Amino acid sequence: QITLKESGLTLVKPTQTLTLTCTFSGFSLTTTGVGVGWIRQPPGKALEWLALIYWNDDKTYSPSLKNRLTITKDTSKNQVVLTMTNMDPVDTATYYCAHRETYCSSTDCYPLFDYWGQGTLVTVSS
Amino acid sequence: DIQMTQSPSSLSASVGDRVTITCRASQTISSYLNWYQQKPGKAPKLLIYAASSLQSGVPSRFSGSGSGTDFTLTVSSLQPDDFATYYCQQSYSPPPTFGGGTKVEIK
Repeated sequence: QITLKESGLTLVKPTQTLTLTCTFSGFSLTTTGVGVGWIRQPPGKALEWLALIYWNDDKTYSPSLKNRLTITKDTSKNQVVLTMTNMDPVDTATYYCAHRETYCSSTDCYPLFDYWGQGTLVTVSS
Repeated sequence: DIQMTQSPSSLSASVGDRVTITCRASQTISSYLNWYQQKPGKAPKLLIYAASSLQSGVPSRFSGSGSGTDFTLTVSSLQPDDFATYYCQQSYSPPPTFGGGTKVEIK
């Protein structure tokens, strides 16, 4: 059974750095094709993908936030860490981590997020 | 980035109704389209992947169709548990992008 859970400070001040940890179980981040992603959702708004780390340590970032984000993994602890610098009130959102899997048909492979953490609401305020 | 546009942004429907939600991509994405359901205060749940494949455990009243730029999510007979917000997401090219969501409310 795959589970993920986000943790970290829930209240940060403007200009501070946010550090969130995703602790997971039921899969290994050393398995080929597997990844863990971060997605956020401002209150009452849509989902926004932030970053993804793969089993082979490749990383991808949202182009609009790339300069502020860093994603790392610790496979021995089954954890993925996201840091976001220079936080602003517009970054107030629920932050989710999710298991990224790939479904392969006979011709193509389709990425998907099939398991999500419960989310953690991060508020940016002085 | 590929833009995903959903319509309508909200709809009201009754239990037993057939409901269709549309998602349009700003460029062709083949069948690289996923659908998620989200209830208030909860994480999104994967319903459909690869445009038309039903995720394990999801009721068969949910179905997806489409390819290229135009996609639909259909609920054949709306149940009380289906009142939620639905999001499409493209996985064709990074960054993965989501639609703005469609809120399905009780009429």
